Amino acid sequence: AAGVIQSPRHLIKEKRETATLKCYPIPRHDTVYWYQQGPGQDPQFLISFYEKMQSDKGSIPDRFSAQQFSDYHSELNMSSLELGDSALYFCASSFGVGRSYNEQFFGPGTRLTVL
Amino acid sequence: SQQGEEDPQALSIQEGENATMNCSYKTSINNLQWYRQNSGRGLVHLILIRSNEREKHSGRLRVTLDTSKKSSSLLITASRAADTASYFCATDAMNTGFQKLVFGTGTRLLVSP
Repeated sequence: AAGVIQSPRHLIKEKRETATLKCYPIPRHDTVYWYQQGPGQDPQFLISFYEKMQSDKGSIPDRFSAQQFSDYHSELNMSSLELGDSALYFCASSFGVGRSYNEQFFGPGTRLTVL
Repeated sequence: SQQGEEDPQALSIQEGENATMNCSYKTSINNLQWYRQNSGRGLVHLILIRSNEREKHSGRLRVTLDTSKKSSSLLITASRAADTASYFCATDAMNTGFQKLVFGTGTRLLVSP
C-alpha cells in the first residue's frame, strides 16, 4: 500500500539558509500534518492543512511557512535557519478532518542538519 | 505542558518476556494511538483505540484505555529482539475539529536475545 512520501530524506544546510521540505500524502488523504522531533524528544506538532487550507497551528516559528497544494502535497518552507532547527521533520496524513476516527500515518521523515 | 507522560522511560527485557508500557494524558480525548519508532527512523502506526473502547488487540499487541484515569497501556507479548524501539502514545483532544496529535515522552524498549 502507498505510504506517505517525504523528500528529501536528508538535508544539510548552513545557518541563515533556507530549506524546503516536501510531503506527498497517502492517496485520497485530504489532511496533512507537520511535526518536528528534536534529538531525544517526542514529536511536536507544527501545522496542519485540510483541503488546502490551514486547519491548525502549533509551535511553528514565524520563520517557517507551509502550504498544501491542489494535488494535496504539502511543502514546509524554513528560512533563516538556526542550529536549533536541526531535527527530524515528519509529515503525516489522514482522511477527513473532524471525524472521530483519525489515524495519522507518518512518512519516514526528513532529517535536517543545520551547520 | 506535555499532554502525555509515559512510564517507564526505559525498559529492558529478554526475548519471550512481555513488555508493558503506560501512558497518561491530561485532557479528554477522541482517540489514543500508539506508535513505534526505531532509532532516528519514522513513526510506525501500531494501533488506535477510541475513547469509547476499553481494550483492543492487534497480533501480539494489547492496548487498554481507562478514560476515568486518563491512562492507557500497551502490552507486547512474547517480545522479540526486533521489538527493540521507542514507543510513543499520542492523543487528539476531544471536541476539536482538527486533530493534531500530542505525543507522550516515549518508552525506550530494549529486548535482548
